[in-house]
Amino acid sequence: GAVVSQHPSRVICKSGTSVKIECRSLDFQATTMFWYRQFPKQSLMLMATSNEGSKATYEQGVEKDKFLINHASLTLSTLTVTSAHPEDSSFYICSARDRISGHLNTEAFFGQGTRLTVV
Amino acid sequence: AQSVTQLDSQVPVFEEAPVELRCNYSSSVSVYLFWYVQYPNQGLQLLLKYLSGSTLVKGINGFEAEFNKSQTSFHLRKPSVHISDTAEYFCAVTRNTGGFKTIFGAGTRLFVKA
Repeated sequence: GAVVSQHPSRVICKSGTSVKIECRSLDFQATTMFWYRQFPKQSLMLMATSNEGSKATYEQGVEKDKFLINHASLTLSTLTVTSAHPEDSSFYICSARDRISGHLNTEAFFGQGTRLTVV
Repeated sequence: AQSVTQLDSQVPVFEEAPVELRCNYSSSVSVYLFWYVQYPNQGLQLLLKYLSGSTLVKGINGFEAEFNKSQTSFHLRKPSVHISDTAEYFCAVTRNTGGFKTIFGAGTRLFVKA
């Protein structure tokens, strides 16, 4: 199956700093990538939909100035947590859909996640 | 809008026993249905999916699920579990129209005991 690489897998940062998380589709092109947040022992909550070459679409309640998303190419989307605070500590997961199959490709491929700890 | 309800937050079961993890969904449009497994501090791995056709879907690791349209359910089953099946299981639905957003259930923690 297709591979989505997420980097870093773990990051610890100081409160007030910014952290960038990368999501790459390694063997396919992804027009659309999705960013999720997962709190301990909870489900994945969709934060935003990232579309190549256009602005991301954020879910209700997600601060777009706090969580900056850039999808500059068909294989890379980045999530930057700006001015991070301890309450931003969480597990962030990205997923991507293969562009080639379009609407026929119903499966999204997931990265391995990034554990962010803000101290 | 669509939603997913996983009826059990935790399911303890003995090794080699059968297990069923329940999932119900609601949606105003057609959806595709998925089951994913997540091991600690890892991403999601697809177990199986229902797109159309036969309502009984077989997946990896001996899991299967049955789509029941009238009951809007997509329960996951395995006839004999192993210790290694201990993990978090998520049911998910994806709209089959523009955007293809995937919504996840709250998850079910399967704990297999020796």
